[in-house]
Amino acid sequence: QITLKESGPTLVKPTQTLTLTCTFSGFSLSTSGMGVGWIRQPPGKALEWLALIYWNDDKRYSPSLKSRLTITKDTSKNQVVLTMTNMDPVDTATYYCAHSCSSGYYCFDYWGQGTLVTVSS
Amino acid sequence: QSVLTQPPSVSGAPGQRVTISCTGSSSNIGARYDVHWYQQLPGTAPKLLIYGSTYRPSGVPDRFSGSKSGTSASLAITGLQAEDEADYYCQSYDSSLSGWVFGGGTKLTVL
Repeated sequence: QITLKESGPTLVKPTQTLTLTCTFSGFSLSTSGMGVGWIRQPPGKALEWLALIYWNDDKRYSPSLKSRLTITKDTSKNQVVLTMTNMDPVDTATYYCAHSCSSGYYCFDYWGQGTLVTVSS
Repeated sequence: QSVLTQPPSVSGAPGQRVTISCTGSSSNIGARYDVHWYQQLPGTAPKLLIYGSTYRPSGVPDRFSGSKSGTSASLAITGLQAEDEADYYCQSYDSSLSGWVFGGGTKLTVL
């Protein structure tokens, strides 16, 4: 059974750096084909893909946010970490981590519960 | 503005059939990348409803079906139930952006 859970601060100040951790179980990020992504959703708005990391350390970023994002993995801890620099109130959102579908499908089949991050001074 | 375009809302009475459209372009759906659909119940995380344009994950009722043609895709829900009231999102991959893209979401109201 695959599960994921996000953790991190609920409140950050403008200009600060956000660090979110996704702790997962039920799969290993050292297994070929595995990937974990981050998706966010501002209150009342649509989903937005942010970043994804594969088992082979291949990293993909949203072009619009690439300069602010870093995704890393710690295979031994079953964790994926996302950092986002220079936070702004418009970055207020629920941040989800999700398991990437296998078998060549570019989708997300298991999601964490999400963590709400508010950016405010 | 989302890369994939969905109607903001649809509605239907219990038992009826509704469809939700998802329009993309030649760099995503038209480039033969699959479309995937998610159901998001109020206050919960999205749930994968359809993958590979037409396949249902285990546990998803066969009342839900997906199709794709050209640069568009559709999600159909038959035998509408009150529990289907949720937000629905389409998603694909975009070769120009080299990334995953979502639609703006469609709110389904069961009358």
